[in-house]
Amino acid sequence: KAGVTQTPRYLIKTRGQQVTLSCSPISGHRSVSWYQQTPGQGLQFLFEYFSETQRNKGNFPGRFSGRQFSNSRSEMNVSTLELGDSALYLCASSLLQSNTGELFFGEGSRLTVL
Amino acid sequence: QQPVQSPQAVILREGEDAVINCSSSKALYSVHWYRQKHGEAPVFLMILLKGGEQKGHEKISASFNEKKQQSSLYLTASQLSYSGTYFCGTDKLIFGTGTRLQVFP
Repeated sequence: KAGVTQTPRYLIKTRGQQVTLSCSPISGHRSVSWYQQTPGQGLQFLFEYFSETQRNKGNFPGRFSGRQFSNSRSEMNVSTLELGDSALYLCASSLLQSNTGELFFGEGSRLTVL
Repeated sequence: QQPVQSPQAVILREGEDAVINCSSSKALYSVHWYRQKHGEAPVFLMILLKGGEQKGHEKISASFNEKKQQSSLYLTASQLSYSGTYFCGTDKLIFGTGTRLQVFP
């Protein structure tokens, strides 16, 4: 079956702009979680959505937001981009809530902020 | 509060063993382990639930001591394919900073 699909794979933005990243989970999976990965900080949890409801949120500023649609697809948005937002953004899907079982990760969206 | 992983990096020859430790300052109800190869997405290895059970995946096994809030990943007779960065994660989806493992022939 198809894996987790993230779009776009690469993007370049300038400071102050906003960006929207998309994640299509594995068919039948209801949970989507998002992570920021940087060389110095590893995998940082952003938020988790389950059945269109945000279940958990990491320690990120309000510029980072997300949502989940009825078909379980999820989007995350970062407004007023800063240089430090440059990172690989990974999403992961799971059948149940993310902390109960295996997470299936997408290949990520690499964001560069100039 | 990110779990602390040790060591930060390990270099091995094929066939050698390694142990990666994960320690949390908060109570753990489960521990997840993932491996990420360079340029690829993290891949699930195993999840350990409260109760100190040990699980295995090929020649990789792990233990979980919820009282000590620690988990250890054991890699036995390492293979070239084991190279990558290993992450532990808590039930709150908080991941450690990772341990980079390199296996050479």
